Amino acid sequence: AQTVTQSQPEMSVQEAETVTLSCTYDTSENNYYLFWYKQPPSRQMILVIRQEAYKQQNATENRFSVNFQKAAKSFSLKISDSQLGDTAMYFCAFMNTRDDKIIFGKGTRLHILP
Amino acid sequence: NAGVMQNPRHLVRRRGQEARLRCSPVKGHSHVYWYRQLPEEGLKFMVYLQKENIIDESGMPKERFSAEFPKEGPSILRIQQVVRGDSAAYFCASSPGQYSLLSTEAFFGQGTRLTVV
Repeated sequence: AQTVTQSQPEMSVQEAETVTLSCTYDTSENNYYLFWYKQPPSRQMILVIRQEAYKQQNATENRFSVNFQKAAKSFSLKISDSQLGDTAMYFCAFMNTRDDKIIFGKGTRLHILP
Repeated sequence: NAGVMQNPRHLVRRRGQEARLRCSPVKGHSHVYWYRQLPEEGLKFMVYLQKENIIDESGMPKERFSAEFPKEGPSILRIQQVVRGDSAAYFCASSPGQYSLLSTEAFFGQGTRLTVV
């Protein structure tokens, strides 16, 4: 069974700093996708970034980038120049190519401090 | 183009009552997914539906829970005889087709928070 583990329940950083959120996963699949979702207090689930497992190049979306280590089954999210609006729960998620079930980690609550 | 619409946003039910949660997918999307989020937890998959078909219900509790996505109208998640443990946020997501949930066209609704008192 696939599992997703986020070992940091909560983190706080100063505005403008860089922060890295950790995520590890377990799967026997070779083809899959990884995601980071942001859930602000409004509870909306917002896709931040995604990574295809077959791509070696790490995905980047503006201030958000990932460090994808396939052999280590690690998928960390780096937020550069953090902003107050980045305060939210962040969920790491996994999906294999056989079905559309997204498996979520338990989340990391990120506080950006002014 | 409106996103996924879920209603109600908040629903309070007494133990033993029925809860009906509605999800209107993005216009043109024919696939709907329901997820449940317990407090301080991630989302857990419940069911995946296509118009008039249940594709995968492996995450649905065996009793009291059912889902449908009729040819016309929203998808409905129905919980009969609710218990306190059903209190959670229920999210719906839609996509235009199978294996495309990962596309940027896949949206989550804002969820329905069910409270059982």
